[in-house]
Amino acid sequence: DQQVKQNSPSLSVQEGRISILNCDYTNSMFDYFLWYKKYPAEGPTFLISISSIKDKNEDGRFTVFLNKSAKHLSLHIVPSQPGDSAVYFCAASAMPNAGKSTFGDGTTLTVKP
Amino acid sequence: EAGVAQSPRYKIIEKRQSVAFWCNPISGHATLYWYQQILGQGPKLLIQFQNNGVVDDSQLPKDRFSAERLKGVDSTLKIQPAKLEDSAVYLCASSWALSTDTQYFGPGTRLTVL
Repeated sequence: DQQVKQNSPSLSVQEGRISILNCDYTNSMFDYFLWYKKYPAEGPTFLISISSIKDKNEDGRFTVFLNKSAKHLSLHIVPSQPGDSAVYFCAASAMPNAGKSTFGDGTTLTVKP
Repeated sequence: EAGVAQSPRYKIIEKRQSVAFWCNPISGHATLYWYQQILGQGPKLLIQFQNNGVVDDSQLPKDRFSAERLKGVDSTLKIQPAKLEDSAVYLCASSWALSTDTQYFGPGTRLTVL
């Protein structure tokens, strides 16, 4: 049973437009939600996170929204840039072991110039 | 600050052979993770260490996989014997503590089993 799901394997957007990546989870015990970005032949790098006590967290062009009742989170990238083209993984974890993350299968974002 | 180091970067072996991967985490990070990432899937946690003790190895196939972190710093993951389905990227990550949600990943080792 996959506890974290990213239902869109790929997304293509035009440079300058908004990119919206979605993630659903089933385990109501999750406290922390993270987004990682991965370029080919590199390990994932942390992008942004949100705890379950918040519904929004912003960092520059990146904003994560959390809807606990729907068990849904989304990552908004505004404006999208060609350098944002990568695989984006959603991950979730629960205290006290916040480091034990369960990952989704990723969404490949392509930003076209 | 140096990142997480892993070696080798690539490895090709025949099925039933043995292989070992090495990881050196970021200095001062107490928690170390090994993940298996099969093509098209997200990373799956194999084992988690806190210093030199195992915190979680519930998804480690213990009949063929083993891992150690003897001095609480670097770590080795071994597969013996390898199967075709072990072909994947093996990622090592580290974090400051168990309660820290953010992990720092190494570049991974791509294993191909023929």
